[in-house]
Amino acid sequence: DVKVTQSSRYLVKRTGEKVFLECVQDMDHENMFWYRQDPGLGLRLIYFSYDVKMKEKGDIPEGYSVSREKKERFSLILESASTNQTSMYLCASISFGDNSPLHFGNGTRLTVT
Amino acid sequence: AQSVTQLDSQVPVFEEAPVELRCNYSSSVSVYLFWYVQYPNQGLQLLLKYLSGSTLVKGINGFEAEFNKSQTSFHLRKPSVHISDTAEYFCAVSDGADKLIFGTGTRLQVFP
Repeated sequence: DVKVTQSSRYLVKRTGEKVFLECVQDMDHENMFWYRQDPGLGLRLIYFSYDVKMKEKGDIPEGYSVSREKKERFSLILESASTNQTSMYLCASISFGDNSPLHFGNGTRLTVT
Repeated sequence: AQSVTQLDSQVPVFEEAPVELRCNYSSSVSVYLFWYVQYPNQGLQLLLKYLSGSTLVKGINGFEAEFNKSQTSFHLRKPSVHISDTAEYFCAVSDGADKLIFGTGTRLQVFP
């Protein structure tokens, strides 16, 4: 069974801090994604990656960056956290050509004060 | 560009009643369609998916959805809901390139 693990369930950070959200998948999937989820807005794609060291901007990349140094790990970075980045962050993964759906982690609820 | 519209942000319903959660999509290419469910404090789980073939798709927990190409819809239905179906439901569309576009979600609240 595919497992996508997000390292933190809850995080509280201060404005201006650098924040790392970590995601690890155990199924050798090529594609990994970061979404943020906000009430009334659904899930919006921040960044995604098709391979190690590759990254593509999603719909709302501003204020975020990502890192994919190893195939199983995809990190989301908030260079200088702001209160409008308070949200639920969801990581997902899938394999090329796989008709299976995205597999999601349980999410990280980030609060920026 | 693809998009997904979930017309109802909240759907209240009594236990054992039928329910329909509406989803419409727009796309200029062939699509794959999905419904995900998110229970409180959990990630998203797949309920069902349409890739090709029969337009009536059956999923887990007694849910089903019908793909209607002429109306560009993929509504989710259950003939009799339970309290445990209380959750948020997301419709999503993909053109097969593995990037899913999600709707804004519908919160299903089942009352006893």
